[in-house]
This record gives sequence, C-alpha cells and structure tokens, in this order.
Amino acid sequence: DAGVTQSPTHLIKTRGQQVTLRCSPKSGHDTVSWYQQALGQGPQFIFQYYEEEERQRGNFPDRFSGHQFPNYSSELNVNALLLGDSALYLCASSSLGGWDRGRISTEAFFGQGTRLTVV
Amino acid sequence: DQQVKQNSPSLSVQEGRISILNCDYTNSMFDYFLWYKKYPAEGPTFLISISSIKDKNEDGRFTVFLNKSAKHLSLHIVPSQPGDSAVYFCAAGTYKYIFGTGTRLKVLA
Repeated sequence: DAGVTQSPTHLIKTRGQQVTLRCSPKSGHDTVSWYQQALGQGPQFIFQYYEEEERQRGNFPDRFSGHQFPNYSSELNVNALLLGDSALYLCASSSLGGWDRGRISTEAFFGQGTRLTVV
Repeated sequence: DQQVKQNSPSLSVQEGRISILNCDYTNSMFDYFLWYKKYPAEGPTFLISISSIKDKNEDGRFTVFLNKSAKHLSLHIVPSQPGDSAVYFCAAGTYKYIFGTGTRLKVLA
C-alpha cells in the first residue's frame, strides 16, 4: 500500500514563475492538506481539500491555489513566485468522512515533501 | 501569535534514560493533539495522538500527557534509543493542525 506520494521531490524556479506541486493521498483517504515548512520552522497550514473543494484555508495569499481531483489526488499551484516561497511543501492525507459534522481524523499521513527553491 | 509553542529547540539525553518533550498551546478549543517525528529529508511521521477528553495515552515506549488546565502537552520516551534522534513536532487542532517549531532530540549512545 503506497503511502502519500508527492512530486517532484526537488524544484528550482525563478522569481515570477509559476509552479505546480502534486500529491497522491494514502489509499482510503479522501482529504488532502497542504503545508509549507520554512527552514527551522514547523509546518504552516496552507489549505485543505475535501470532495474536490477547498474547505479550510490558512493565512496565505491568493497566489497559492489548489485543486483536488475525483481520485482524491491534489495539486498546489503558486503563482508569481517570490524568494520567500522557498520552502519544503508537505502534503498530508487523512480521512475526514464528514468534516462538517465535526468528525476529524486524528492522524494525518505526510508525504516526503517537495523542496522548492526560488532564485 | 504562536498558538502552539515548543520552547526547547533542542534536547540531549543519554541512551536508556527518559526523554521529555514539552509543548504549550493557547487555544482551549483544540480537540486533538498529535506528536510527529521528522528525520532529515523525510516528511513528518505520525507518532502518537491524544484526545482532549483524555489525559494520557500510551503506545509502547511513547506516552503523551495532556494537562488541559495548564494547556500543556508532553511526550515521554522511555527508554530513549539512538534511533529516536530526530526533530519532534507537536500539533494541535480540530479540522486542521497547528504545529510547534519542533524540538531536536539527540539520544547519546
């Protein structure tokens, strides 16, 4: 059983460019959350997708957008890249099964991350 | 304003002794608390969790304690092993998790 897979593992982009990162959740999971982890910091929540919709969003600008596909995989897009966007981007999958009814997952399984460097 | 804090950036412990990692939070609405372990070049790995209705949860060598009145969470590792050397993150939340900045644990052989 494959865990959470992310691609690519490393990426170098130039300021102003756009980037797309991809995540396939763990089998049986329907919810994908994206986190940004800067050097020396804990992961910061970007947003969460469930049933192909963005359900929750952290304090990130609109340059950060995403998508979830019918097979539950997800993409994170960042436009107009800034040097400060350089970070490890983590995808976490979980099974919320009705987040609007207050059920949450007590576990989130993380991928290895995509290391984005903006030069 | 950091809602989840790990005030010790690093900790060194002798092999076989107890490691105690601490975490403080400010939001009394948090329902669940998690600990993750992270090795270099890997994503965080889930370790153990605790619900706000409990004050202790054990899993092998790992025990998490929750003190809701103090808004304090701790992870005990007994006995500590060299393979436990990693960065440990606590996380708290409901539908999303807010992470602390991590504590680097070094277990000395």
